[in-house]
Amino acid sequence: ILNVEQSPQSLHVQEGDSTNFTCSFPSSNFYALHWYRWETAKSPEALFVMTLNGDEKKKGRISATLNTKEGYSYLYIKGSQPEDSATYLCAFMKYTGNQFYFGTGTSLTVIP
Amino acid sequence: DVKVTQSSRYLVKRTGEKVFLECVQDMDHENMFWYRQDPGLGLRLIYFSYDVKMKEKGDIPEGYSVSREKKERFSLILESASTNQTSMYLCASDSTASTDTQYFGPGTRLTVL
Repeated sequence: ILNVEQSPQSLHVQEGDSTNFTCSFPSSNFYALHWYRWETAKSPEALFVMTLNGDEKKKGRISATLNTKEGYSYLYIKGSQPEDSATYLCAFMKYTGNQFYFGTGTSLTVIP
Repeated sequence: DVKVTQSSRYLVKRTGEKVFLECVQDMDHENMFWYRQDPGLGLRLIYFSYDVKMKEKGDIPEGYSVSREKKERFSLILESASTNQTSMYLCASDSTASTDTQYFGPGTRLTVL
């Protein structure tokens, strides 16, 4: 079982604050890193798929970076809004096989 | 719009009962997955399937079995439910494209009393 860690476990921020969290994964045998947003009572929704070292992806106020050499990815949210409240999951794919290895998630609460 | 549906959002069963969790996807995906999610542990893979009638064990298959008789449907079976199988169960599917994202159902929260 691969070790994929996310930090912090939970986060409370004020509306308008910017925030970021981390996903750490094995630096060897890397294939892809996925980010998901999981709102309460909904299905996890894909945010980004990242494959190349130095990749930077952006969707609205959310962006992510990837460092495969040191085995981490950051997710940034600029100007957090209450609708950003969710659990953010990352999932690591290694070079062989089709399996996703999920982190434990970061639970974000944005306080109006 | 892509869709993965699960048969129940909430389910309450008694210890020893046989439990079926059904998952259907409408995207013609080859691969389907069953996970369970527990606080502090993240999503853990129970079983997956790459094709009809084909199954592979994930990280925590003990106490579970699966069935894939049709491409669009993947069932998770708890032969004799136990209290430690109380959890959130998520189904997902994806295509064989190399980095394709997995699409998830809304989850079934199972309570075993």
